[in-house]
Order: sequence, then C-alpha cells, then structure tokens
Amino acid sequence: DAGVIQSPRHEVTEMGQEVTLRCKPISGHNSLFWYRQTMMRGLELLIYFNNNVPIDDSGMPEDRFSAKMPNASFSTLKIQPSEPRDSAVYFCASSLRDFHNSPLHFGNGTRLTVT
Amino acid sequence: KNQVEQSPQSLIILEGKNCTLQCNYTVSPFSNLRWYKQDTGRGPVSLTIMTFSENTKSNGRYTATLDADTKQSSLHITASQLSDSASYICVVTTFTGGGNKLTFGTGTQLKVEL
Repeated sequence: DAGVIQSPRHEVTEMGQEVTLRCKPISGHNSLFWYRQTMMRGLELLIYFNNNVPIDDSGMPEDRFSAKMPNASFSTLKIQPSEPRDSAVYFCASSLRDFHNSPLHFGNGTRLTVT
Repeated sequence: KNQVEQSPQSLIILEGKNCTLQCNYTVSPFSNLRWYKQDTGRGPVSLTIMTFSENTKSNGRYTATLDADTKQSSLHITASQLSDSASYICVVTTFTGGGNKLTFGTGTQLKVEL
C-alpha cells in the first residue's frame, strides 16, 4: 500500500500564476479530502468528495480555488490566480466512504509558497 | 460554535518520561473523537478513534481516554521516545443531516529530549 500520493512536494510560484496540486488516493477509498494547514489556523477542510462527487465545498476560500476528481484514482486542486496569502501546506486525504468511523489517511502534503 | 481546544500548546520532556495531552471540545452532536500524530514535514497519522461508549483505547504506548459527559479527552504517552517528538492533533467528528464533519484542534507540539 503506497498510501496517499501528492505532487509536487514543494511549489514556489509568483503571485498571479496558476498552481495545480495533484493527489492519488488509496485504492478502494471512496472519500477524498483537500485540507490546508497554516500555523495560525491549523488544518482547514477545503472540499471533500464521495465517489468522485463534491459533497462539501464550503471551505473553498473563493472562486480562485477549484477542485476536480475526474476518476476514483486522481484529484486536482487548482488556484488561479495565486496570491501570497495562499502560501500554506495543502494535504490530500482519503478514507473509506463511511469515514464516520474510519480514519483519514493523509498524504505528505504540498508546501506552496507564493511570492 | 463547534470548537476543539488542546493544551498545552507545547511540551518538552525527557526521554523515558510519561506525559499527558489534553483536549476539550464543545462540538455537538458528538460522534467520535480521534487523535492524530503529525511528524514534521509529514501528513497526520491516525492513532485512535473513540466513540461515545468508549472510555479508553490504546495503541502501543499511546492511551487515549474520553469523558463524553465533561467533553474531555486525554492522550497519555508512556515511556516516551525521541520518535514521539511531533504534533498531536485532537479531532472531533459530528454527524448531522448534512453529513459528517471533522473539527480539528490546533495541536500540541511535543519535543522529547535526551
């Protein structure tokens, strides 16, 4: 089991550029989550999918953020245009559909720096 | 407002000693409580999940307790090791008509020294 795989591990970009973060969940997991972590606010849910369908996107900061899950093995989080305040570590996590009592398995994150 | 508060914010202990981390929550309705360990530069890893009816749950040298009446949980680490140095995050799950929701604490940063 390779775990949740995220890429890239680090991303440095200039303000105004488009950024795309990628995630491959654990095979067989039906729920996928995108989180953002900062020192000030800790872990914040951005969006989660069940069976590739977005269920709760209330945490997506604004229209500059978008997420897709075209199939069960791949998801992207896009920021366009990026701003310095978007600098954070972005985590993807996956779980069995009934994550009510199942643990979330996190990837090792993408550290985004927007200058 | 649903909140999860952890204490202390940070803690330094000597290798081999025990320690206890605290978590208080006001999340309602309560479904379960989770503890995660996050090493520097890595994603959080699940340690335990406890439901309303569980008072205690162990995972190796980690023992979590839950008092659903007072809305408090603790994570006890026995015979600490250098590898226990990490952030420990308390997470409470609610289950409403709108679905599952996880509320995260901001973590306790533990450092184990020689």
